[in-house]
Amino acid sequence: AQSVTQPDIHITVSEGASLELRCNYSYGATPYLFWYVQSPGQGLQLLLKYFSGDTLVQGIKGFEAEFKRSQSSFNLRKPSVHWSDAAEYFCAVVLPTRNQFYFGTGTSLTVIP
Amino acid sequence: NAGVTQTPKFRVLKTGQSMTLLCAQDMNHEYMYWYRQDPGMGLRLIHYSVGEGTTAKGEVPDGYNVSRLKKQNFLLGLESAAPSQTSVYFCASRSSGGYYNEQFFGPGTRLTVL
Repeated sequence: AQSVTQPDIHITVSEGASLELRCNYSYGATPYLFWYVQSPGQGLQLLLKYFSGDTLVQGIKGFEAEFKRSQSSFNLRKPSVHWSDAAEYFCAVVLPTRNQFYFGTGTSLTVIP
Repeated sequence: NAGVTQTPKFRVLKTGQSMTLLCAQDMNHEYMYWYRQDPGMGLRLIHYSVGEGTTAKGEVPDGYNVSRLKKQNFLLGLESAAPSQTSVYFCASRSSGGYYNEQFFGPGTRLTVL
């Protein structure tokens, strides 16, 4: 079945530590890939997206993500986490020729001092 | 420029009652979407619209109806609410320029059905 998987339900990191959130997809074609962040009680905000070209994409708030076709992955990274990064993170894909977004189940990030 | 707005922000219903959630966007976007968000399940697409007067079913359409009479508005209706429809509902919109265009989300509506 086609799907978007975020294997980590919850991650805790110390402030200043590096972060990597995993996202894998299982679709026949390479989809368009997105990472969104949701702060408590808020809607979703786009962090970054990939649709072609350089497989390492830069986003807002110091985040970056790397597309690896061979692994069907689009992992999100940040070198040094800030307390304000505590939130829920969602990976999403759009298939070429489709109008629907498919979201992963999300990863909740806790940042400890 | 307000972006995507949702009305109301909170609502409590009794089983069997009906209600309509309103989504409005001022970005002249062609596409609009309704999602529900439940713990551990991410966002699931209920219905979507690719233009004024058109709607289509998403992943979980049962128990919901939608209408897109004006380009800027997308209404989600619950004709007979059930406790299983307790959720947070998000509306989103995006432009039709390409499949890589991101969705813009509203702040959400928290609905409780007793």
